[in-house]
Amino acid sequence: EAQVTQNPRYLITVTGKKLTVTCSQNMNHEYMSWYRQDPGLGLRQIYYSMNVEVTDKGDVPEGYKVSRKEKRNFPLILESPSPNQTSLYFCASSRMAGGHNEQFFGPGTRLTVL
Amino acid sequence: DQQVKQNSPSLSVQEGRISILNCDYTNSMFDYFLWYKKYPAEGPTFLISISSIKDKNEDGRFTVFLNKSAKHLSLHIVPSQPGDSAVYFCAAKEDNYGQNFVFGPGTRLSVLP
Repeated sequence: EAQVTQNPRYLITVTGKKLTVTCSQNMNHEYMSWYRQDPGLGLRQIYYSMNVEVTDKGDVPEGYKVSRKEKRNFPLILESPSPNQTSLYFCASSRMAGGHNEQFFGPGTRLTVL
Repeated sequence: DQQVKQNSPSLSVQEGRISILNCDYTNSMFDYFLWYKKYPAEGPTFLISISSIKDKNEDGRFTVFLNKSAKHLSLHIVPSQPGDSAVYFCAAKEDNYGQNFVFGPGTRLSVLP
């Protein structure tokens, strides 16, 4: 089954404790992206990657890091989480070739930073 | 400032009637638009799209209309069904921005039986 998986689905942590949210896709997509969803703001892009070892900042990259060492994986790293990073996070992937392509989203990770 | 706006946070419609969800954008360089549907505890799923060279695209009960001069698009669902109850996101992108879409804040649709 074609899918994007994220782990963990729910996480409660404390300020300053480094964490990683994993994302994996099995569709051989070149493009992967991380979003956060906050009430009234919709989905805002954090980072994206157009292929292995190619990453770039989205609209709200502060406080986040990413890496793309393999095509299927795109982890989101919070080196020192703060309460304003409490949010619902989505990973997405899509093809790059062929013009406009819709993104496939993972199920989401709800993060609470105390 | 938000480039993609959905000014109605919520909408309630009776089953069988038409649902109309609206989206406005400010960036005149946007040339491709999509609608996503999101159920609770799930990620958004693609619903329908439209390119700026068209003014209408239809897929079953779902039709998207684009008015470029007004920078406005709308999603029509006819007839509405209880299973359509979800949050709907409008998204847009410029042609040269890879796959980077800008999303609106979403509209929660409730279809009442």
